[in-house]
Amino acid sequence: GQSLEQPSEVTAVEGAIVQINCTYQTSGFYGLSWYQQHDGGAPTFLSYNALDGLEETGRFSSFLSRSDSYGYLLLQELQMKDSASYFCAVSFIHYNQGGKLIFGQGTELSVKP
Amino acid sequence: GAVVSQHPSWVICKSGTSVKIECRSLDFQATTMFWYRQFPKQSLMLMATSNEGSKATYEQGVEKDKFLINHASLTLSTLTVTSAHPEDSSFYICSGLGQGLNTIYFGEGSWLTVV
Repeated sequence: GQSLEQPSEVTAVEGAIVQINCTYQTSGFYGLSWYQQHDGGAPTFLSYNALDGLEETGRFSSFLSRSDSYGYLLLQELQMKDSASYFCAVSFIHYNQGGKLIFGQGTELSVKP
Repeated sequence: GAVVSQHPSWVICKSGTSVKIECRSLDFQATTMFWYRQFPKQSLMLMATSNEGSKATYEQGVEKDKFLINHASLTLSTLTVTSAHPEDSSFYICSGLGQGLNTIYFGEGSWLTVV
């Protein structure tokens, strides 16, 4: 079967840095992506890693270690608006070949003043 | 970025009736559409994958006769929940993938409440 593990909730203060980890056990793997979802809204794409290493996109960075089946999302300079659920998701083939996503259970991030 | 429009955003229907949710890609041709459902505070569960002009591929445990998916054009996919029951109440989200795109774009989601 497929499983992705991430913490259920994380709390941090404005301006801080927070890391959300994701470990996966899947039969096959192509890439790991991260999505943000605010209450009642649709997921928004944040970042994607197909190769080992760090990808930086503004305040958000994502890391992947394929050998460890592990990745994380790093959020810097936290803002109140970053309070949301964050999902890691595994894809099994490249997106442009019709790759579907299998999502983790999500991490609820609460940013406090 | 690319836009995927989903309609309706909210729908309430009576038990036993059917309801249709539309997913349109507005500025790209979605060769593949994915349909997910999400219960409150839970993950997105993939229901099915549809390629334009082909029958949808359903995930294990998803009843294909209950959740009818049509992807007749490159810009429109529909999900019809047939004979809806209260346990079908959920947030349904579509996503689209276009040729040459490197990411999947999600619709805004549709809240279905069956009473």
